[in-house]
Amino acid sequence: GAVVSQHPSWVICKSGTSVKIECRSLDFQATTMFWYRQFPKQSLMLMATSNEGSKATYEQGVEKDKFLINHASLTLSTLTVTSAHPEDSSFYICSARGGSGGGYNEQFFGPGTRLTVL
Amino acid sequence: RKEVEQDPGPFNVPEGATVAFNCTYSNSASQSFFWYRQDCRKEPKLLMSVYSSGNEDGRFTAQLNRASQYISLLIRDSKLSDSATYLCVVLYNFNKFYFGSGTKLNVKP
Repeated sequence: GAVVSQHPSWVICKSGTSVKIECRSLDFQATTMFWYRQFPKQSLMLMATSNEGSKATYEQGVEKDKFLINHASLTLSTLTVTSAHPEDSSFYICSARGGSGGGYNEQFFGPGTRLTVL
Repeated sequence: RKEVEQDPGPFNVPEGATVAFNCTYSNSASQSFFWYRQDCRKEPKLLMSVYSSGNEDGRFTAQLNRASQYISLLIRDSKLSDSATYLCVVLYNFNKFYFGSGTKLNVKP
């Protein structure tokens, strides 16, 4: 139980394009989903917290107009990197947390999306 | 001061050794504690939650010391497959997870 999927697993795009990443909780309803970014050899950095049906809460220094988050249902959250630039190249990981099927206080991570912007 | 601090390591140990990691947290009101492991270029995977009374899962034992604000992870009889980065995670205010920067473990044959 408590499986989280992410799609795509990797993406290469040109500078200036937008990229959408999906995060799904497959066997539980996720009341909260988190989006992280991780640069090589660095720790996970929380970008934003999203609750189903409400606006995401962004961490300091994360531009909400650049990283659009939509959490339209209890099993799906999307992150759209708008007008991506090479410095946005990173490993983006989502996690989900929920009630039945998943421990409420535990986070379960998706497999991550490796974004490379040329 | 960081919310969660860990020794980055690396800890280089031979197979079969016992190794322990500590993690300190700054907020005394933190509610829940976890150890995750992360393999290179992969997502973190939950290893175990840490309970006040301490808990054990096979070769892994986790302890919580609220008075001193640290949690520990003990790995007995290390295997090559234990090589990974171990992340300490603390939950605060029911919705805020803080991650340590991770402790790297290399188990050598």
